Amino acid sequence: DQQVKQNSPSLSVQEGRISILNCDYTNSMFDYFLWYKKYPAEGPTFLISISSIKDKNEDGRFTVFLNKSAKHLSLHIVPSQPGDSAVYFCAASAKTGANNLFFGTGTRLTVIP
Amino acid sequence: KAGVTQTPRYLIKTRGQQVTLSCSPISGHRSVSWYQQTPGQGLQFLFEYFSETQRNKGNFPGRFSGRQFSNSRSEMNVSTLELGDSALYLCASTITPGGPYEQYFGPGTRLTVT
Repeated sequence: DQQVKQNSPSLSVQEGRISILNCDYTNSMFDYFLWYKKYPAEGPTFLISISSIKDKNEDGRFTVFLNKSAKHLSLHIVPSQPGDSAVYFCAASAKTGANNLFFGTGTRLTVIP
Repeated sequence: KAGVTQTPRYLIKTRGQQVTLSCSPISGHRSVSWYQQTPGQGLQFLFEYFSETQRNKGNFPGRFSGRQFSNSRSEMNVSTLELGDSALYLCASTITPGGPYEQYFGPGTRLTVT
């Protein structure tokens, strides 16, 4: 049972434009959400996170939006750069205090120069 | 500060054998979690260790086990390997349990079972 879903396996965007990656979750106990970026043959790299008490968190070119009522979050990258091309994973953790993360299946972003 | 390190990076084993993978967390991080990444299932949580104790366990058979040492380094062991155990095994560290805290991942160990 996939509790975190990324329904778009891939996304292509022109350099300089906005990239929007989407993520949906089903477990209402999730209260902390993270985005990771992964290059081939490397481990996931932490990008940005958001607590359920917020609806937006910004860090440079990256902004994460959380819509709790819709159980939906999105990652915006503006402007997109060719170096952003990677697989992006959405992850969530529950209010149990445990550290285990539930991951989506990933979206492959390609930024076209 | 050095990142999470994992050894070995690549491993080939035969069905029925057992394997041990090693993880050294970021200095000062005391919680270590293990994940399995496969094309079909994505990234799935195996277990978490803190203070040499397993705090949390995912939905994997008992063939998968782990331990943590007093210096926070961790090992995971898979016994009686099956073809389906072929995967990228990732270790992640964080400061302490009871977060939430961001987890920082190592490069992974690619295990191939033939």
